[in-house]
Amino acid sequence: NAGVTQTPKFRILKIGQSMTLQCAQDMNHNYMYWYRQDPGMGLKLIYYSVGAGITDKGEVPNGYNVSRSTTEDFPLRLELAAPSQTSVYFCASSAEGWGTEAFFGQGTRLTVV
Amino acid sequence: AQSVTQLGSHVSVSEGALVLLRCNYSSSVPPYLFWYVQYPNQGLQLLLKYTSAATLVKGINGFEAEFKKSETSFHLTKPSAHMSDAAEYFCAVSAPQSNTGKLIFGQGTTLQVKP
Repeated sequence: NAGVTQTPKFRILKIGQSMTLQCAQDMNHNYMYWYRQDPGMGLKLIYYSVGAGITDKGEVPNGYNVSRSTTEDFPLRLELAAPSQTSVYFCASSAEGWGTEAFFGQGTRLTVV
Repeated sequence: AQSVTQLGSHVSVSEGALVLLRCNYSSSVPPYLFWYVQYPNQGLQLLLKYTSAATLVKGINGFEAEFKKSETSFHLTKPSAHMSDAAEYFCAVSAPQSNTGKLIFGQGTTLQVKP
């Protein structure tokens, strides 16, 4: 019963490098989300998707891109990493859009140096 | 625009004491409200949610929260704290009309439980 799986768990990037954070869920949820967590700031929504082929920006999308080619996967791409992208990233999914529980992955701790 | 404010970034209680974590929201329409808990180095886990049914909501691990529209509050309580309750707690709001499930989180409150 995996739920939401994120890889990698930890990563150190140099300024200007790129990487993809992977997220997969096995609950057949249509809705998926990427949040970033910074100390004292709570979680901020980066991008979300309401189904395969449909994505939209959240509150803090600059510097990121997403795709949703399948129901299961929702990768987050960082282009030209900057120190401001040092954060903990969480992927989440939910069965429906409103009022339902969001299930979170364990997070990816990213440091940009 | 919706927003969530959690009063107190750190709360410290003794084991067996009452836990009270405060959350106030701003929303132009009746929102859905959630409390999530995050244990160290883990993802978030749902404690409870309010979706316009009963105003007193019971969750897991003995936690409950009361929705008070007149005070725009959704405070989280537990009668008797356990050491295992030490974690970070997040209040979140979702707008029903958007149907996207997007959550707006408060800043979080770290609960410390002293023996």
